[in-house]
Amino acid sequence: DAGVTQSPTHLIKTRGQQVTLRCSPKSGHDTVSWYQQALGQGPQFIFQYYEEEERQRGNFPDRFSGHQFPNYSSELNVNALLLGDSALYLCASSFKVLATNEKLFFGSGTQLSVL
Amino acid sequence: DQQVKQNSPSLSVQEGRISILNCDYTNSMFDYFLWYKKYPAEGPTFLISISSIKDKNEDGRFTVFLNKSAKHLSLHIVPSQPGDSAVYFCAASDNTNAGKSTFGDGTTLTVKP
Repeated sequence: DAGVTQSPTHLIKTRGQQVTLRCSPKSGHDTVSWYQQALGQGPQFIFQYYEEEERQRGNFPDRFSGHQFPNYSSELNVNALLLGDSALYLCASSFKVLATNEKLFFGSGTQLSVL
Repeated sequence: DQQVKQNSPSLSVQEGRISILNCDYTNSMFDYFLWYKKYPAEGPTFLISISSIKDKNEDGRFTVFLNKSAKHLSLHIVPSQPGDSAVYFCAASDNTNAGKSTFGDGTTLTVKP
């Protein structure tokens, strides 16, 4: 049973560039959430996708956008990269967005470095 | 405003002893709490959870206690093992924002042999 997979594992970009991160949820899961984890901090919620729509959004600017495909996989896009966007980006999957007691299954993350 | 706080960045205990990790929250709407463990180069993995209608939940060596009046929860690990050395995150969620978890900054636990 494949868990949550993310690609790429590492990425180096320069300021102003755009980046796309990819995530495949755990088999049987239909909801994908994205989190940003800065060094020394806990994961911060970016947004969540369910049924190909953004259902919840955290305090992140519009430069952060996403997409969910019919097969439940998801992409996170960040435009006009800033140095402060350097972080570990974690994808998490779960089943049924409306259940608050759904534990999250995380991927290993994509380490983004913006130079 | 950080709604979930883990005030101890690190904790070191001897193998076999008890580890107690603490977490405080400010949002009274939170009704579900989870603990995740994270090893280097891996994503967080779910450890144990507790609903706000309970004050204790136990799973093997791991027990989570919830004190709603104090807005405080703690994770007890007994006995601690070297393999428990990891970063532990406390997370909380509420019904009005289903699916959004708010995390603390984590506590790095080191269990010495």
